[in-house]
Amino acid sequence: DQQVKQNSPSLSVQEGRISILNCDYTNSMFDYFLWYKKYPAEGPTFLISISSIKDKNEDGRFTVFLNKSAKHLSLHIVPSQPGDSAVYFCAAPFYGGATNKLIFGTGTLLAVQP
Amino acid sequence: KAGVTQTPRYLIKTRGQQVTLSCSPISGHRSVSWYQQTPGQGLQFLFEYFSETQRNKGNFPGRFSGRQFSNSRSEMNVSTLELGDSALYLCASSALNNRELQFFGPGTRLTVL
Repeated sequence: DQQVKQNSPSLSVQEGRISILNCDYTNSMFDYFLWYKKYPAEGPTFLISISSIKDKNEDGRFTVFLNKSAKHLSLHIVPSQPGDSAVYFCAAPFYGGATNKLIFGTGTLLAVQP
Repeated sequence: KAGVTQTPRYLIKTRGQQVTLSCSPISGHRSVSWYQQTPGQGLQFLFEYFSETQRNKGNFPGRFSGRQFSNSRSEMNVSTLELGDSALYLCASSALNNRELQFFGPGTRLTVL
């Protein structure tokens, strides 16, 4: 059961334009979400997070929007730069007893064309 | 502050062998988690350690095990390697007061021939 879904495996955007990456979740108990960026053969790098008490969080060129009623979040990158080309994962912490693990989406490969 | 470090970065083994991977968390972080990344399954949770205790384990066979030392460094072991164990193994650490935010190491690329 894929509790966090990224339905677009890839996205291509022109440099300077906006990149919008989408993520859906099914578990209404999720109350915190994270976006990670990953280059090949490297570990994921934390980008930005959002708590369910907010509907928007902004950090420089990166903004994450959360729509709890739709169980949907999106990451906006403005303006997009070639160095943003990477795989982006959304993730949600799952709490079960004393454990804490991240449930990841399948990732979206972003290609920013110069 | 130094990030999460993992050794070795690359490893080639043959079927039936065993392997041990090492992870040093960010200084002060006591929670260490391990994940497996494969093209088909994405990023899958293996297990989490806190204060030398395994808190939970993902849906992996008993061939996958781990441990954590008193200095929070962690190791994971895979015995009787199978071809399907070829993957990028990622270690992540988090602080006690913000366990949701996990910082990842560069990973160990394991290839099983």
